[in-house]
Amino acid sequence: DIVMTQSPDSLAVSVGERATINCKSSQTILYSSNNKNYLAWYQQKPGQPPKLLIYWASTREFGVPDRFSGSGSGTDFTLTISSLQAEDVAVYYCQQYYSSLITFGPGTKVDIK
Amino acid sequence: QVQLVQSGSEVKKPGSSVKVSCKAPGGTFSSYAINWVRQAPGQGLEWMGGIIPIFGTRNHAQKFQGRVTFTTDESASTAYMELSSLRSEDTAVYYCARGPMPYDYDRKPPFDYWGQGTLVTVSS
Repeated sequence: DIVMTQSPDSLAVSVGERATINCKSSQTILYSSNNKNYLAWYQQKPGQPPKLLIYWASTREFGVPDRFSGSGSGTDFTLTISSLQAEDVAVYYCQQYYSSLITFGPGTKVDIK
Repeated sequence: QVQLVQSGSEVKKPGSSVKVSCKAPGGTFSSYAINWVRQAPGQGLEWMGGIIPIFGTRNHAQKFQGRVTFTTDESASTAYMELSSLRSEDTAVYYCARGPMPYDYDRKPPFDYWGQGTLVTVSS
């Protein structure tokens, strides 16, 4: 199975400041035939199901604010919240869907400092 | 807005089985797979497996081998996840999530719509 790791486990950022979350896969999740990374980011708030934010590593889902951006390729990826808002307090998960055996990262908790 | 509606909470005894349902909008099963993800209390997301209704194909994470069954009733637009030989560690919220067919991953987003979750509590 492809193992996904995330860092940090948690972070606290002031409102308006940048938050950066890293995700690493144990093998490449770049599909060479179409040059797409099969990496997604989800946001989960307490008591709610996860919400898809980013897919193909950098494509924002419809309706997701543009302060959320994704980058990276191969095995190393980043989710950036450019200007943290109070409503962004949540746990963020990365997910690989390159393999038919889908796996998630352990999650990163984002709080307000 | 696509809505996946799941069945209600369950309390089960160790060793028993649970069957969770996920009702999808009509037409979902012709173009999408249904995946199942669980989340133990205070823990992260764990993909269990999924089913492609129009092909009847299924796959699952190795740890659920022999214990999980995915089915669909296309006439009712409903998918089911049955987990057997329940133990306390299976206490979790179980989610269904719509995903594209494997050959559509280059054209469609992954798990874009989720059910509201079903809490399954395993306790003697």
